[in-house]
Amino acid sequence: GQQVMQIPQYQHVQEGEDFTTYCNSSTTLSNIQWYKQRPGGHPVFLIQLVKSGEVKKQKRLTFQFGEAKKNSSLHITATQTTDVGTYFCAGRKKTSYDKVIFGPGTSLSVIP
Amino acid sequence: DSGVTQTPKHLITATGQRVTLRCSPRSGDLSVYWYQQSLDQGLQFLIQYYNGEERAKGNILERFSAQQFPDLHSELNLSSLELGDSALYFCASSSQTGVLGYTFGSGTRLTVV
Repeated sequence: GQQVMQIPQYQHVQEGEDFTTYCNSSTTLSNIQWYKQRPGGHPVFLIQLVKSGEVKKQKRLTFQFGEAKKNSSLHITATQTTDVGTYFCAGRKKTSYDKVIFGPGTSLSVIP
Repeated sequence: DSGVTQTPKHLITATGQRVTLRCSPRSGDLSVYWYQQSLDQGLQFLIQYYNGEERAKGNILERFSAQQFPDLHSELNLSSLELGDSALYFCASSSQTGVLGYTFGSGTRLTVV
């Protein structure tokens, strides 16, 4: 079946450093979504990418969707302690109507 | 408040027991999804309902069942509980198109002792 993988599993950065998490799917995706889950909280939708090669920015966060629509990345510039949490990508299969498959997540720790 | 309501927030029960988790989706959302998240684990998809009908099934055990009612709220029933069923259970809802992503509830933390 379809698999969505993420690397790294954990990342510890000094405050102010950049951070990137990568998401890879075993199959072509119709779109990809990113979520953030703060410690003790629930996943919160950040963004959805649909087009091949699409790049979207939200303040210090930059999201990319690969040309082949099988991979994606989330880059955070100059991390802050408020960025702490687990970042999940979730891909929707090209032939699937609705269900998305979540990756295992990347847990980000920011050292002040 | 995300708009998705889950009750109860916490549940402690003994092995072998049965519990029911409840979810009210965000107003207007027809799709409801159930996910299980064990300690430091990812989100394991259990089941999806759309407008009262089962749409997709994931890694849901036979001891677990769910349904979505005409008012669109959903219930997840967990029976013959085992220690390993202890986890956070999230409900999420989405619009028909899912363009705005999934909206998650705050979850129900189930502890089986």
